[in-house]
Amino acid sequence: QKEVEQDPGPLSVPEGAIVSLNCTYSNSAFQYFMWYRQYSRKGPELLMYTYSSGNKEDGRFTAQVDKSSKYISLFIRDSQPSDSATYLCAMSPSGTALIFGKGTTLSVSS
Amino acid sequence: GAVVSQHPSWVICKSGTSVKIECRSLDFQATTMFWYRQFPKQSLMLMATSNEGSKATYEQGVEKDKFLINHASLTLSTLTVTSAHPEDSSFYICSAAEGPNYGYTFGSGTRLTVV
Repeated sequence: QKEVEQDPGPLSVPEGAIVSLNCTYSNSAFQYFMWYRQYSRKGPELLMYTYSSGNKEDGRFTAQVDKSSKYISLFIRDSQPSDSATYLCAMSPSGTALIFGKGTTLSVSS
Repeated sequence: GAVVSQHPSWVICKSGTSVKIECRSLDFQATTMFWYRQFPKQSLMLMATSNEGSKATYEQGVEKDKFLINHASLTLSTLTVTSAHPEDSSFYICSAAEGPNYGYTFGSGTRLTVV
């Protein structure tokens, strides 16, 4: 079993839809959880950062961490065509390098 | 927010030559920086952890003599691909964090093509 599992998609939704992206992990030592957005041929852009369990909201984005289930989610409300990108979950025990999921490719059609 | 600058954004080199990639933290100091490699349609794979003032820590399977890392200051880490070959063609990305309570910021990446 890989440390971080993420469905690569692709995921296609119409504009305005709510998008749910998820990752599961096996290492209970992970404490820091992040979501990145990556456009083609660009470096990943940090969207959300969460320490330990709980929810965090920033504009149209909501990140959830459920450590008991080893499951994290990113919700995108009112999705826009500009949200079309690859979304990567990433996590770390503490101050060390990130372990990434494979990324989910999202396409939002207008 | 934190900014990590990476140069060059793309480079083409001949087989057998060396290429240096720079990663700078612009508005914060980073005692640790990370170097990743990404192949098309794949996720980021950690290559090495760069530590200011000491030797880098390489992941299993990464040749330390081929991928030379220097972290000479708190704001600059460099990755040199020595004697590059076509199979080294990839997207190289660095990252750093302001501190334990911040997310990791990535550079814009360097696309290396070895011909």
